[in-house]
Amino acid sequence: QLQLQESGPGLVKPSETLSLTCTVSGGSISNSSYYWGWIRQPPGKGLQWLGSISYSGGSFYNPSLKSRLSISIDTSKNQFSLNLRSVTAADTAVYYCTREDKSSSDYWGQGTLVTVSS
Amino acid sequence: QSALTQPPSASGSPGQSVTISCTGTSSDIGAYKYVSWYQQNPGKAPKRIIYEVTKRPSGVPDRFSGSKSGNTASLTVSGLQTEDEGDYYCSSHAGTKVIFGGGTKLTVL
Repeated sequence: QLQLQESGPGLVKPSETLSLTCTVSGGSISNSSYYWGWIRQPPGKGLQWLGSISYSGGSFYNPSLKSRLSISIDTSKNQFSLNLRSVTAADTAVYYCTREDKSSSDYWGQGTLVTVSS
Repeated sequence: QSALTQPPSASGSPGQSVTISCTGTSSDIGAYKYVSWYQQNPGKAPKRIIYEVTKRPSGVPDRFSGSKSGNTASLTVSGLQTEDEGDYYCSSHAGTKVIFGGGTKLTVL
């Protein structure tokens, strides 16, 4: 059974970079059929797609975050990562990593809360 | 890119049917067959219940069904059960991105 697990700091200071890693187990991240994505959910609010990446490194980003966001993949570790620069309180959210199949997320991590605060 | 439009709330009694709409544009829902629906319970990650407009993943009851007409997708829950309470989100492929609806809170009365 495929499992995804987010890891990273739960607290980030304003203007700094939010960095999260998703570790995939129970399957290979190098499967060309899928993309690997990030979705976030601010407390009490809805879901926002951030972006996704293929095993070969091809990526797509939410236009509203594109200038601050980068997603990378490390097939040797079966991991992919998110870096969000210059964060503000508006970036406080639960961040989920997912597996995408034709723009649909079929597997999700449990989510990790990241708070932006000094 | 604006979010897809969903009603903030919906409700029904056990055994009844309820339909949740998700309205987009000719650039997202209207252009592609890649509409998904997710169910989320408090404190949990969303769970996919519909993909590619009408398809149900293994293990999802056939009480859940999806459809699309023009720029609007719909999720119908038939034979409502108390465990169907939760938040429901639609999403659509939109070219080089994915967009979500704002979510609908379903209450089983």
